[in-house]
Amino acid sequence: DIVMTQSPDSLAVSLGERATINCKSSQTVLSNSNNKSYLAWYQRKPGQPPELLIFWASTRESGVPDRFSGNGSGTDFTLTISSLQAEDVAVYYCQQYYSTPYTFGQGTKLEIK
Amino acid sequence: QVQLQESAPGLVKPSQTLSLTCTVSGGSIRSGGYYWTWIRQHPGKGLEWIGYIYYSGSTYYNPSLKSRVTISVDTSKNQFSLRLSSVTAADTAVYYCARDRGYCSGASCYRGVDSWGQGTLVTVSS
Repeated sequence: DIVMTQSPDSLAVSLGERATINCKSSQTVLSNSNNKSYLAWYQRKPGQPPELLIFWASTRESGVPDRFSGNGSGTDFTLTISSLQAEDVAVYYCQQYYSTPYTFGQGTKLEIK
Repeated sequence: QVQLQESAPGLVKPSQTLSLTCTVSGGSIRSGGYYWTWIRQHPGKGLEWIGYIYYSGSTYYNPSLKSRVTISVDTSKNQFSLRLSSVTAADTAVYYCARDRGYCSGASCYRGVDSWGQGTLVTVSS
């Protein structure tokens, strides 16, 4: 199985500041056939199921604010929130869908400083 | 807007079989390009992908659970189901049903779990 490791486990950022979450996979999730990284990011707010933010490592899901961006390729990825809003308080997960079983990172809890 | 809703068994005794059903509304489970998926989250832990079924009936299970898991689909009721046998306390978790995308439209291909049920807590205890 591909192991996904996120850092940090928790993060406190001031409103309006940038938040960056890292995700590393134990092996590449980059496909040679289409040059895409099979990596998604999800946001889970308290009491709610996860919500898809990003797929193909950097493609924003429809309706997701443009302050959310994803970067990276191969084994190292980042999710950046350019200007933190109060409603962004949540746990964020990365997921690889390169090979089954699909696996998730352990989650990063984002709070307001 | 598709919506998914898990049934709620709540409490299951050790060694018994956990059974959950997910009802899909606002869209047909026969729609190609989607994998109807079960995911769980143990208390205080991360997300674990259990497996999926395609509308045709083809399945994939997480090898860690494969010997105990069955996912089935009833297209006439627009539902899919999870059965997990020989449960132990380690199977206590919030279980989510979800829709995982895997299709292309024009030059764009879409992946990722784009719809989730609210989740249901299943506790294994005598």
